[in-house]
Amino acid sequence: GAVVSQHPSRVICKSGTSVKIECRSLDFQATTMFWYRQFPKQSLMLMATSNEGSKATYEQGVEKDKFLINHASLTLSTLTVTSAHPEDSSFYICSARDLGQGNEKLFFGSGTQLSVL
Amino acid sequence: GENVEQHPSTLSVQEGDSAVIKCTYSDSASNYFPWYKQELGKGPQLIIDIRSNVGEKKDQRIAVTLNKTAKHFSLHITETQPEDSAVYFCAASEGGGGADGLTFGKGTHLIIQP
Repeated sequence: GAVVSQHPSRVICKSGTSVKIECRSLDFQATTMFWYRQFPKQSLMLMATSNEGSKATYEQGVEKDKFLINHASLTLSTLTVTSAHPEDSSFYICSARDLGQGNEKLFFGSGTQLSVL
Repeated sequence: GENVEQHPSTLSVQEGDSAVIKCTYSDSASNYFPWYKQELGKGPQLIIDIRSNVGEKKDQRIAVTLNKTAKHFSLHITETQPEDSAVYFCAASEGGGGADGLTFGKGTHLIIQP
């Protein structure tokens, strides 16, 4: 299957700092990427849809000024958690569609465990 | 919108036995049903998927069945092995490249007992 690379895999930061997470499609182009958040022993919660060259679409209840998304190229989307607080600690996962394998197939990155002290 | 229910939440089976995980969905327009395996601390991995024009699909020890009339689909794992232990998520979507992504079930923690 297609490869989606996500970095970093783990980050620990102080409260009030900003953290950037990168999501890259390595062997395909992705006009659309998705960002999810996952709490322990729970399902994936869609946060936002990242569209190359345009503004991201955020799900209800997700603060767009808190979670900044940039999708500047067909292979890279970034999620920046601004002014992070302990309640932002979570597992963040990106995904991308490989249109070459059909519109529906969604491939995930390896996830980023964010811990805010 | 779509609602996906997944059962059971935890499933423990003896190594070598079969495991079955079931999901139901609410939106009759959904036509794409993937299954993902997630190991601890990692992202979900697509293991098998099925489209609504197919009733069953098999890939080695893994199979998925779909009953569109009843709006339910199931994952079957035969001859289970310790490495099958993970959390499995079902999902549903209307496909077609829509921006809404997938609607996921709440997951099943599969435990393979040696």
